[in-house]
Amino acid sequence: GAVVSQHPSRVICKSGTSVKIECRSLDFQATTMFWYRQFPKQSLMLMATSNEGSKATYEQGVEKDKFLINHASLTLSTLTVTSAHPEDSSFYICSAPRTVGDAQYFGPGTRLLVL
Amino acid sequence: AQRVTQPEKLLSVFKGAPVELKCNYSYSGSPELFWYVQYSRQRLQLLLRHISRESIKGFTADLNKGETSFHLKKPFAQEEDSAMYYCALRETSGSRLTFGEGTQLTVNP
Repeated sequence: GAVVSQHPSRVICKSGTSVKIECRSLDFQATTMFWYRQFPKQSLMLMATSNEGSKATYEQGVEKDKFLINHASLTLSTLTVTSAHPEDSSFYICSAPRTVGDAQYFGPGTRLLVL
Repeated sequence: AQRVTQPEKLLSVFKGAPVELKCNYSYSGSPELFWYVQYSRQRLQLLLRHISRESIKGFTADLNKGETSFHLKKPFAQEEDSAMYYCALRETSGSRLTFGEGTQLTVNP
């Protein structure tokens, strides 16, 4: 299957700082990538859809100025958590379909801890 | 709005026993349904999708539009099947997924 990577796998930061998470499609080009958030023992909640060359589409209740998404190339989407606070601590996961209509392939996730 | 319900958060069976993980959905159109699995400390991975009508690792799932269900079944559970299972719905090709809450399956020896 297709391979999606994320970097870093884990990050700890101080409250008020910004954190950037990268999502890369390693063996295919992804015009669309998806960003999810997962709290402990809970399901994945879609945050936004990242579109290459255009603005991301955010789900209701997700602050676009708080969670900046940039999809600058066909293999890379970044999620920046700006002015992070402890309540932003979570597991962030990205995914991408290899082609339109394909199933989504998931990255390994990034665990963010804001102190 | 679409919704996916997995009524069992936890499911425990013995090795060799049949297992069924339930999934119900609500959606007015024709959805595409998936089952994803997450083994301990691993990423989420696709198990099967209804349009493929495949059997992966002995698991099958049939879309029942009348009952709006997509239950996952395996006749003889194995210990290595222990994992978190998520049912997901996609409205149209290329669009986003809506996940159920997940079912933690434990297969005891």
